[in-house]
Amino acid sequence: EVQLVQSGAEVKKPGESLKISCQASGYSFTTYWIGWVRQMPGKGLEWMGIIYPDDSDTRYSPSFQGQVTISADKSIRTAYLQWSSLKASDTAMYYCARRGRGAIGDYWGQGTLVTVSS
Amino acid sequence: QSALTQPASVSGSPGQSITISCTGTSSDVGGYNYVSWYQQYPGKAPKLIIYEVIDRPSGVSNRFSGSKSGDTASLTISGLQGEDEADYYCSSFSSKNTGVFGTGTKVTVL
Repeated sequence: EVQLVQSGAEVKKPGESLKISCQASGYSFTTYWIGWVRQMPGKGLEWMGIIYPDDSDTRYSPSFQGQVTISADKSIRTAYLQWSSLKASDTAMYYCARRGRGAIGDYWGQGTLVTVSS
Repeated sequence: QSALTQPASVSGSPGQSITISCTGTSSDVGGYNYVSWYQQYPGKAPKLIIYEVIDRPSGVSNRFSGSKSGDTASLTISGLQGEDEADYYCSSFSSKNTGVFGTGTKVTVL
């Protein structure tokens, strides 16, 4: 069974750094792209970027390029999304999703809520 | 890379059919047969209901169907039921191996 399990909710202050994770199981981690999706409170889904864990080839949406870093550690089947300096506007739910079956996300993680507040 | 355009809301009575449109450009919807649709309930992760324009994952009701013409894709829900009340998002592959979502549609069952 394919599963994506994300790290728990985070509460941070503006300017702090953060790295959230998404651990995959039930499939060959290195042969599927895995991506991140943002959903701000009460808003729609936004595609942030994807990574191919086998060679760490990474693509970003222009809106998120330079704002976040996507990485992966294939030895522990885990993808990451990180910020070096959080802003209040980063407050959102973040989902990881496996790209498969010609879809941006055929399997999704449960989401990680990130709250940035002073 | 602008979001794909969906109507903000669509409503229908139980048993009726509704259609949600998703309009993009030749760089996304019109350029690839990789349009997918997601259903999202409040507080839950999105769930894939249509992939590659017309295909349904196993376990998804055949009341959901997809199509595409040019730069516009559509999701039709037939035999509308109360459990279909949710938010629906389209998505598409886009240039340079990126992706884009639609603006989202809230479906209300009257």
